[in-house]
Amino acid sequence: SQQGEEDPQALSIQEGENATMNCSYKTSINNLQWYRQNSGRGLVHLILIRSNEREKHSGRLRVTLDTSKKSSSLLITASRAADTASYFCATDFRGSNYKLTFGKGTLLTVNP
Amino acid sequence: GAVVSQHPSWVICKSGTSVKIECRSLDFQATTMFWYRQFPKQSLMLMATSNEGSKATYEQGVEKDKFLINHASLTLSTLTVTSAHPEDSSFYICSVTGTEGETQYFGPGTRLLVL
Repeated sequence: SQQGEEDPQALSIQEGENATMNCSYKTSINNLQWYRQNSGRGLVHLILIRSNEREKHSGRLRVTLDTSKKSSSLLITASRAADTASYFCATDFRGSNYKLTFGKGTLLTVNP
Repeated sequence: GAVVSQHPSWVICKSGTSVKIECRSLDFQATTMFWYRQFPKQSLMLMATSNEGSKATYEQGVEKDKFLINHASLTLSTLTVTSAHPEDSSFYICSVTGTEGETQYFGPGTRLLVL
């Protein structure tokens, strides 16, 4: 299976703390993307990191990619209650013609 | 990013009926749209890739005669669940690719409940 695996499956933190989620995958990729999903809603694209990049920032988000370990991490700094959502990594593996394979997701709960 | 809409957002139907779900790209022409299914507390599973003007490409295990996909224009793709059964109850989400072909922009999803 090409599917990415996130860990932890669930994470509960206090507002203001940092949240780190990890994702592992199995084959060579073109890029890896992180998405956010609020309960019962569609997905919102957060950040895309290409296979030749190691780190990327966007506001309070920091994504790293280690292609040698086939893993990525998403760090949300200074979390807010509004960050409560499920977070998914998705890989665009080589030869897939832009099809994305999603991981199982991490449910993040930020307590006020 | 692209703005994608889906209609309806909720649908309840009787077993054996067919349901059509629309996916519209509102602000740009999407040559490729994707259809996903998501069961409660699970990840998204790609059902099919839809290219404008051609037949959809279905993922392994997805019945093309049950899930009919039509991508008649660059802004509209439809998914019809034919002869729906309770096990088809799920959250169906479409996405479109951006101009660079990498990032996918998702619709808000359609929740289908088959009684």
